[in-house]
Amino acid sequence: RKEVEQDPGPFNVPEGATVAFNCTYSNSASQSFFWYRQDCRKEPKLLMSVYSSGNEDGRFTAQLNRASQYISLLIRDSKLSDSATYLCVVTAYGGATNKLIFGTGTLLAVQP
Amino acid sequence: DTGVSQDPRHKITKRGQNVTFRCDPISEHNRLYWYRQTLGQGPEFLTYFQNEAQLEKSRLLSDRFSAERPKGSFSTLEIQRTEQGDSAMYLCASSLLPGEWAFNEQFFGPGTRLTVL
Repeated sequence: RKEVEQDPGPFNVPEGATVAFNCTYSNSASQSFFWYRQDCRKEPKLLMSVYSSGNEDGRFTAQLNRASQYISLLIRDSKLSDSATYLCVVTAYGGATNKLIFGTGTLLAVQP
Repeated sequence: DTGVSQDPRHKITKRGQNVTFRCDPISEHNRLYWYRQTLGQGPEFLTYFQNEAQLEKSRLLSDRFSAERPKGSFSTLEIQRTEQGDSAMYLCASSLLPGEWAFNEQFFGPGTRLTVL
């Protein structure tokens, strides 16, 4: 079983739609949680950190449920420019390394 | 550009050849990480350095792989006797030294895409 599991998609949605991505992680000792965005043939870039209290950045809302080991990302009012792969990421247990453990990514295609 | 840079961006080689990639991190960053990404997968951790010390290596890093960061600045990743299964994007990332339980963002370079024929 992979440490971080995501639905690979693709999610094809019209502009303006609301789309939600889910992710589960297997290690209950995982320390920190993130969503990264990766455009086609580009490097991953940090989209947002994820906190238990939930956090919002404009049209993006992220949520963490430690009890269920579940992470979500909600995108409201989708734009064409949101088309990308969204990677769910956790850091390894034990803070010293801070290596990132990535899911396989979920591909989002926003259609005009 | 003060971001992470990698060279070359693309490398095509024949099976059995040796290849070397270079990563130049953001200048004040103590930590340097190497990841590998194959098609349809997320990046996978290979190894990391804190200054010049290599502190952890993944089981993915076979004996044919070696990484160095001799002066705590740039790093090289060498693959000896390349195999077709080595074809992937090799990503370098750098960060400031994290606190004991704090995370510092890792900034990724553009990657080196390796194709082994």
